[in-house]
Amino acid sequence: AQSVTQPDIHITVSEGASLELRCNYSYGATPYLFWYVQSPGQGLQLLLKYFSGDTLVQGIKGFEAEFKRSQSSFNLRKPSVHWSDAAEYFCAVGLEAGTALIFGKGTTLSVSS
Amino acid sequence: SQTIHQWPATLVQPVGSPLSLECTVEGTSNPNLYWYRQAAGRGLQLLFYSVGIGQISSEVPQNLSASRPQDRQFILSSKKLLLSDSGFYLCAWSPRFEAFFGQGTRLTVV
Repeated sequence: AQSVTQPDIHITVSEGASLELRCNYSYGATPYLFWYVQSPGQGLQLLLKYFSGDTLVQGIKGFEAEFKRSQSSFNLRKPSVHWSDAAEYFCAVGLEAGTALIFGKGTTLSVSS
Repeated sequence: SQTIHQWPATLVQPVGSPLSLECTVEGTSNPNLYWYRQAAGRGLQLLFYSVGIGQISSEVPQNLSASRPQDRQFILSSKKLLLSDSGFYLCAWSPRFEAFFGQGTRLTVV
């Protein structure tokens, strides 16, 4: 069955430090790939998406993600984290147009000063 | 531009009472609509999805039901709430691939 794995449940980084959140998927073909962010008590906001083409995609709030087919990964990165980035981050895959996304269990990011 | 509205934001209901959560989408037509439930540490669980009026697919057998009486309206219901129905409920719409979420409803069953 298709699945999305976010190996890190909770990550703490210092403000100004770089960030990488990991995401691996299990699917025979290349799925559509997404990262979402959720602040406490809020809905999910789309950070970025990958459909095809350039494997490094840029998103909002200074985030980027790199698709690596050989590793079935789509890791999220940010060069310098701000305190406002503290939130929960979800990786998701879409298999076909019009079908529901499959989400990972999320990674909670804490930012220390 | 498209917007999604979900209400209420919070709800406290006694066990055995009925439930109705409403979600509406503006600025688009014939969207795919979804209801998810989120429990702490368990990610998002897809409950129902709909590709058109009156067309509902259920992903998990449970105490809940969904209806889509109009193109851009999606309702989550229960006749009798259980304690285990507590959680954060999210409505989402999709034009084709990515999903856009409402602000969620925090449901506490007491």
